Amino acid sequence: EIVMTQSPATLSVSPGERATLSCRASQSVSSNLAWYQQKPGQAPRLLIYGASTRATGIPARFSGSGSGTEFTLTISSLQSEDFAVYYCQQYNNWPRTFGGGTKVEIK
Amino acid sequence: QVQLVQSGAEVKKPGSSVKVSCKASGGTFSSYTISWVRQAPGQGLEWMGRIIPILGIANYAQKFQGRVTITADKSTSTAYMELSSLRSEDTAVYYCARGEPGDYWGQGTLVTVSS
Repeated sequence: EIVMTQSPATLSVSPGERATLSCRASQSVSSNLAWYQQKPGQAPRLLIYGASTRATGIPARFSGSGSGTEFTLTISSLQSEDFAVYYCQQYNNWPRTFGGGTKVEIK
Repeated sequence: QVQLVQSGAEVKKPGSSVKVSCKASGGTFSSYTISWVRQAPGQGLEWMGRIIPILGIANYAQKFQGRVTITADKSTSTAYMELSSLRSEDTAVYYCARGEPGDYWGQGTLVTVSS
């Protein structure tokens, strides 16, 4: 199975600053990579699919890039509501697999 | 709008089975896959399997092969996930999600396995 590795595990950022989250796949997943945001007690929310396409209603401050094995989620200017855990998921191979998550916390 | 509504929390004994439902509304049920993902307390997300309702074909993660069964009833727009031979490590919130990747998610169902 494809192992998805996210880094860092925790990212401390001040509101208004830029956050850069990384996701690495153990083998190529082409562009079949999604990013989710999850807040405590809530279901995950789809942010990005196809590595770089924002899902419906997702603000432009969220952007995704990469292909193959290296992917990045960038939040250009963190808002208070963006402090959460972020997961990447590949949907290119079976089984679908998630990264371990990056927690974005207030610095 | 699209909604996925899951069944309520369950408490189960080790060795028993649980069946969680996921009822879809506001969209064309058969046109999308339904995946099941679980999250143990304080842990990350784990993909369990998915079904294509229009075909009735399911795929499972190897880890759960033989213990999990995912089905769908097109007449009621409801998907089901049944997990058998439950053990304490199966204590988790179980989610259903529409599509790949999941654009709409259910609210989650807490399954607690305890003697």
